Amino acid sequence: EPEVTQTPSHQVTQMGQEVILRCVPISNHLYFYWYRQILGQKVEFLVSFYNNEISEKSEIFDDQFSVERPDGSNFTLKIRSTKLEDSAMYFCASKGDPSQPQHFGDGTRLSIL
Amino acid sequence: GQNIDQPTEMTATEGAIVQINCTYQTSGFNGLFWYQQHAGEAPTFLSYNVLDGLEEKGRFSSFLSRSKGYSYLLLKELQMKDSASYLCAVNNAGNMLTFGGGTRLMVKP
Repeated sequence: EPEVTQTPSHQVTQMGQEVILRCVPISNHLYFYWYRQILGQKVEFLVSFYNNEISEKSEIFDDQFSVERPDGSNFTLKIRSTKLEDSAMYFCASKGDPSQPQHFGDGTRLSIL
Repeated sequence: GQNIDQPTEMTATEGAIVQINCTYQTSGFNGLFWYQQHAGEAPTFLSYNVLDGLEEKGRFSSFLSRSKGYSYLLLKELQMKDSASYLCAVNNAGNMLTFGGGTRLMVKP
């Protein structure tokens, strides 16, 4: 069964540094998402992406964050000038059309020191 | 605003049936989804409802009443491996998912 893949599985970064989290959505999917889950808390929506542009973003997704689809397969989340509170599990998800469920990758655990 | 409520924890016995309830108040509705999440892992899709009624998929069923803002997930013939968190999530008109806090289910022998 096709999967959403995310790299790296764990990223440790010094506060103030930039990180790029990478995702390869399922190949025929058109809708892409980033979510985060702080340890012990609920999954929170960050941003959705369709047709090469952001379609929705949450209050969390401020100027510190950006997304990009640099080629036909990758979907990246960049966090500039990371803060301690950015430490969380970041999940990428994709789906083929609006009526389908979103399929999640295994996540990247981001630890900011 | 968005508000999704589900019990924090439930305990059930292996082989039994358990019902996990979810109530929601959201701006826009385009379906309600149930995901399973084991600790430290990704959410895995279980079931979803767009229209009122019951959807059955093997040991898992989900029910929706849009007028009441209410859904439940029914797990039958519980197995030890069903011990996990169960996440209720509403798909709003823009297709983003808003998640509840999750219900941690512990299945005991």
